[in-house]
Amino acid sequence: DIQMTQSPSSLSASVGDRVTITCRASQSINNYLNWYQQKPGKAPKLLIYAASSLQSGVPSRFSGSGSGTDFTLTISSLQPEDFATYYCQQSYIIRTFGGGTKVEIK
Amino acid sequence: QVQLQESGPGLVKPSQTLSLTCSVSGGSISSGGYYWSWIRQHPGKGLEWIGYIYYSGSTYYNPSLKSRVTISVDTSKNQFSLKLSSVTAADTAVYYCAREILAAVGTGDWVDPWGQGTLVTVSS
Repeated sequence: DIQMTQSPSSLSASVGDRVTITCRASQSINNYLNWYQQKPGKAPKLLIYAASSLQSGVPSRFSGSGSGTDFTLTISSLQPEDFATYYCQQSYIIRTFGGGTKVEIK
Repeated sequence: QVQLQESGPGLVKPSQTLSLTCSVSGGSISSGGYYWSWIRQHPGKGLEWIGYIYYSGSTYYNPSLKSRVTISVDTSKNQFSLKLSSVTAADTAVYYCAREILAAVGTGDWVDPWGQGTLVTVSS
């Protein structure tokens, strides 16, 4: 199985901050990496697919980068509606998710 | 736009079979180009992929659950279903159905949209 490790598991930030979340795969997954946002009591929502492609309708302050084993989700200027939990997911072999990163208000 | 809705019992007894159905609206399961997926989330925990089915009936399951999982599709009703046998308390989770988009070669696939999820509790 491919293990996906996210860091940090949680972070506190203020509105307007630049936030970076990392995701590391246990083996190379090329760019088969997606990012999702989940708010409490809601289903996850696709933000980024294929490591760096922005899903339609998602604000441009979200961006993704990386290839191989190391990936990054960046929120350029954190907004109040961005406080949520973020998950990475690989679709290279089977499908596995990272453990999640909870973004909280500082 | 495509929408998915899970339905089924919210309470299942240990050792019994969990059965859920996902109804798809706004698009046809038979249109091709998608996998129809089940994903679960244990309370307060992360996400676990269960498996998916193509409209033709081809399936792919998480090896950790494979011996207990069956996913089937009914194209006439535009629905697909999940059966998980011999459940225990460890199967208590929110179960999501979702559509996985089959992308071009070299980019992988991704999940969008998701159903709202349904909580299934395993308890006597």
